Amino acid sequence: AQSVAQPEDQVNVAEGNPLTVKCTYSVSGNPYLFWYVQYPNRGLQFLLKYITGDNLVKGSYGFEAEFNKSQTSFHLKKPSALVSDSALYFCAVRDKADRGSTLGRLYFGRGTQLTVWP
Amino acid sequence: NAGVTQTPKFQVLKTGQSMTLQCAQDMNHNSMYWYRQDPGMGLRLIYYSASEGTTDKGEVPNGYNVSRLNKREFSLRLESAAPSQTSVYFCASGRTGTGEQPQHFGDGTRLSIL
Repeated sequence: AQSVAQPEDQVNVAEGNPLTVKCTYSVSGNPYLFWYVQYPNRGLQFLLKYITGDNLVKGSYGFEAEFNKSQTSFHLKKPSALVSDSALYFCAVRDKADRGSTLGRLYFGRGTQLTVWP
Repeated sequence: NAGVTQTPKFQVLKTGQSMTLQCAQDMNHNSMYWYRQDPGMGLRLIYYSASEGTTDKGEVPNGYNVSRLNKREFSLRLESAAPSQTSVYFCASGRTGTGEQPQHFGDGTRLSIL
């Protein structure tokens, strides 16, 4: 069964410092991995995805994520945090082996609240 | 572009009342999903529809019903609301195919049941 763990409920970082939001996953096959961001009173917005190939994936707003198959991790990173990056971040996984009606289902972590202090 | 539109944005119900949450997407997606979001629980899938005419249960389907009215619209119904169903409900849509594509979300319906 697929599952995602985000071990930190909250991450606090000063503006201008690098940030990392952690994610580990479990799938029976190979994964598609996604990061989403949620601002207050809004829906989830897609940030980036890993499908195959280069382990470092670049996405919107200067975010990137590193896929590590041996550690089953997909940590979200940004070299220099902005106050406007403060939001709730979700990691999600989909098993490439899924077929039929289950194809397309995403499994989400519980979310990590990122706060960037000025 | 509207994307995924949910109505209403807010609703307060009394225990035992019924209501239907509406969702429509204009991206020609085959798949549509209903999630609920509760503090510390992330997003939990209630029901989904992989294509027009089909629906399947997700993780937490009890107390809910859905209708895939057509390709664009996917509604969620609470027949007899309970306080445990107080939550933020999100509708999402996506392409069904290789599984590479992300889902697209509406802005949610905030539902309180007294």
